[in-house]
Amino acid sequence: DIQVTQSPSSLLASLGERVTITCQTSQSISNNLNWYQQKPGQAPMLLIYYATSLQTGMPSRFSGQYSGRSFTLTITSLEPEDIANYFCLQHYSAPWTFGGGTKLELK
Amino acid sequence: EVQLVESGGGLVQPGRSLKLSCAASGFTFSNYYMAWVRQAPKKGLEWVATISTSGSRTYYPDSVKGRFTISRDNAKSSLYLQMNSLKSEDTATYYCARGSVEDWGQGVMVTVSS
Repeated sequence: DIQVTQSPSSLLASLGERVTITCQTSQSISNNLNWYQQKPGQAPMLLIYYATSLQTGMPSRFSGQYSGRSFTLTITSLEPEDIANYFCLQHYSAPWTFGGGTKLELK
Repeated sequence: EVQLVESGGGLVQPGRSLKLSCAASGFTFSNYYMAWVRQAPKKGLEWVATISTSGSRTYYPDSVKGRFTISRDNAKSSLYLQMNSLKSEDTATYYCARGSVEDWGQGVMVTVSS
């Protein structure tokens, strides 16, 4: 099974700050990784698919990059509505596996 | 607009069965793989099952293999999850998802408790 290690598990950031979240996979998965945002009481929403593609309707301050087995989600300038939990998912091979999540909070 | 609406959740005793349904609309259902994903209370996400477009291929993690069965009815644009031999650790919100989990339903709660 492919393990997905997400870091940090929690993050305090200020409005306007640049935020970076990372997922590291135990095996190469090419670009088969998605990023999601989940707010309390809501279903997750797709932010980034295939590692770098911004989902339609999502703000351009969100971006995804990858190099080898390391994947990053970046928020270029944190907005109040970005306070949420963030997850990654590798869908390269079954069993699909999620990262443990990052809880993003305001400093 | 893609819509996925789950139903069938509730409280069930350990060892019993429950069947979840997901009604899909806003896209050509038969063209997409479909999946179930769950989230235990205050926990992370776990992929539960995936089914191919025709239903001929299904995939499960070890945690539910042999107990859960995913199926679909393309004529009705509906996805199902039959859950047997339920355990307390199956307690979670279950989400129906399209493709490689691009779109999600609102989720349905399943509580396994005596």
